[in-house]
Amino acid sequence: DGGITQSPKYLFRKEGQNVTLSCEQNLNHDAMYWYRQDPGQGLRLIYYSQIVNDFQKGDIAEGYSVSREKKESFPLTVTSAQKNPTAFYLCASIPQGRGNTEAFFGQGTRLTVV
Amino acid sequence: GQNIDQPTEMTATEGAIVQINCTYQTSGFNGLFWYQQHAGEAPTFLSYNVLDGLEEKGRFSSFLSRSKGYSYLLLKELQMKDSASYLCAVVSGGYNKLIFGAGTRLAVHP
Repeated sequence: DGGITQSPKYLFRKEGQNVTLSCEQNLNHDAMYWYRQDPGQGLRLIYYSQIVNDFQKGDIAEGYSVSREKKESFPLTVTSAQKNPTAFYLCASIPQGRGNTEAFFGQGTRLTVV
Repeated sequence: GQNIDQPTEMTATEGAIVQINCTYQTSGFNGLFWYQQHAGEAPTFLSYNVLDGLEEKGRFSSFLSRSKGYSYLLLKELQMKDSASYLCAVVSGGYNKLIFGAGTRLAVHP
């Protein structure tokens, strides 16, 4: 079955450590997105990518980094520069062009700093 | 700048109809989505509008006016399970930036 897979579902990080969240899709979608959601809040855009080897900063990119070496994969690294990383992270993808009738979401990664 | 506004909270009665409004200001417009999200879960797709008018899908309908930067989600025959957050999102610009409003928490009571 096609879809988006995020891993791990839960992640614990010590202060000062970098961690990488995985996002893989087999939908052949060009566009991929990373969001952060804090309790009771909406989704805020971190980074997004339309094509391989290209990506744009979203509204809250500071303290995060991404790569897009393959169409299927869009990993997000939460660096030690992100001062408040505890949140729910969601990855999404949409097909390119006028057929983009739905944004598909992974099941999310809940990151906690300990 | 880019902005999407929706009411923070709404309440409604089981069996009734509720309309959730969304206004947006973006650089360009490539489409508008509505999603439902239950606490702790990923959003689930409800509707997509790219042309003006009403899209109906079962108990849910979504309306778009591009000239007014306005959309609404209409939920009919409300059920208790419809208690959730409803997210409005707009795709805009040449890079298809997809941004979300803060969401509307809907509480359905008996």
